[in-house]
Amino acid sequence: AQSVTQLDSHVSVSEGTPVLLRCNYSSSYSPSLFWYVQHPNKGLQLLLKYTSAATLVKGINGFEAEFKKSETSFHLTKPSAHMSDAAEYFCVVSDRLKAAGNKLTFGGGTRVLVKP
Amino acid sequence: NAGVMQNPRHLVRRRGQEARLRCSPMKGHSHVYWYRQLPEEGLKFMVYLQKENIIDESGMPKERFSAEFPKEGPSILRIQQVVRGDSAAYFCASSPPNSNQPQHFGDGTRLSIL
Repeated sequence: AQSVTQLDSHVSVSEGTPVLLRCNYSSSYSPSLFWYVQHPNKGLQLLLKYTSAATLVKGINGFEAEFKKSETSFHLTKPSAHMSDAAEYFCVVSDRLKAAGNKLTFGGGTRVLVKP
Repeated sequence: NAGVMQNPRHLVRRRGQEARLRCSPMKGHSHVYWYRQLPEEGLKFMVYLQKENIIDESGMPKERFSAEFPKEGPSILRIQQVVRGDSAAYFCASSPPNSNQPQHFGDGTRLSIL
């Protein structure tokens, strides 16, 4: 069974400073990994995905994540936080299902607060 | 190109009533997934469907919950005889018929049980 651990439930940063959201996963084989963002009362928006290509993945809105197999980590970073980055972020691992489907396993989420 | 459409956005039911949540996948997407998000938690997988078939329902509660994705029309998540613990946000996601493609999510239905 796959699992995802987000090490911080809350992160508070000042606008213009770097953001680091930590994620560790466990998987029995090479996983597909994603980061999604959820703004209040909205659905989830895909930020980026890793599917065994380049280990440094660039996403939307200036976010990027690095896949480190030796550390089973997939941390999300952004060099300079913006007020609009305040949201909840989910690290997700994908488990292959039959009939070409995927079951997503979510971390518990990290709520990001951006201070002016 | 419309995204995943869920309705209603908010649903209020009294204990013992039935709740029906609807999801129309993105155009060209044949795979539909339902997830439940309890307050202050991440999303939990419930069920995976293709047209007229339930492929994996390992995350569905054993009683009162059912899902369908008919040949015509939206996917339906049905909860019978709702209880307070069913209060949650229910999200639908869809993907095209390729296992490497990410899932696209709707805005969810927030179910409140009085």
